Amino acid sequence: ETGVTQTPRHLVMGMTNKKSLKCEQHLGHNAMYWYKQSAKKPLELMFVYSLEERVENNSVPSRFSPECPNSSHLFLHLHTLQPEDSALYLCASSQDIRGTASTYNEQFFGPGTRLTVL
Amino acid sequence: GESVGLHLPTLSVQEGDNSIINCAYSNSASDYFIWYKQESGKGPQFIIDIRSNMDKRQGQRVTVLLNKTVKHLSLQIAATQPGDSAVYFCAENIAADSWGKLQFGAGTQVVVTP
Repeated sequence: ETGVTQTPRHLVMGMTNKKSLKCEQHLGHNAMYWYKQSAKKPLELMFVYSLEERVENNSVPSRFSPECPNSSHLFLHLHTLQPEDSALYLCASSQDIRGTASTYNEQFFGPGTRLTVL
Repeated sequence: GESVGLHLPTLSVQEGDNSIINCAYSNSASDYFIWYKQESGKGPQFIIDIRSNMDKRQGQRVTVLLNKTVKHLSLQIAATQPGDSAVYFCAENIAADSWGKLQFGAGTQVVVTP
């Protein structure tokens, strides 16, 4: 496996279910991100982790719970979701969260998990 | 609030022609801009970037132009091919030397016709 992988690719769940999304990066990066992509809307940053520590929690409802056990893995635990949470959830990674004056830490995206909440 | 946006939601281009995708930004503190391409069923893929101290940067078949005076960014694709059909996003980063969030535009759907 190379790059950033996400499982499952598709998920259908009821509002009372509990499920988890998994992301794994094979790039040796230190930072990982969760984004939400809804139809016809810009990507929304949800969470950022740097060296397994959360550095950004972008006013995301508590029904989304991230976990970063190590710098290669990132999870998004879901419980009691709403139909409006249906979207494509994208994971990304970058070498670090901070760039320098001469370099920018490019974010590499996974293919996403298409989530449908019934 | 300040945001990144795109002028055209859909762009239809004939194969072999050049494509121009536009993006307006309003955050004067942004010093780095990125174009991403997202094909159906895939995550966004980095195409090209440009820093605010530049006004033009070229890649393979792509050119990004930055006009800071009017806060406008464009992506030019030369000799558009069927494989260029995708959604293209611009994104801005407020400061590359500190934690700056990537702020994305809504995207432009490019459709390449034979």
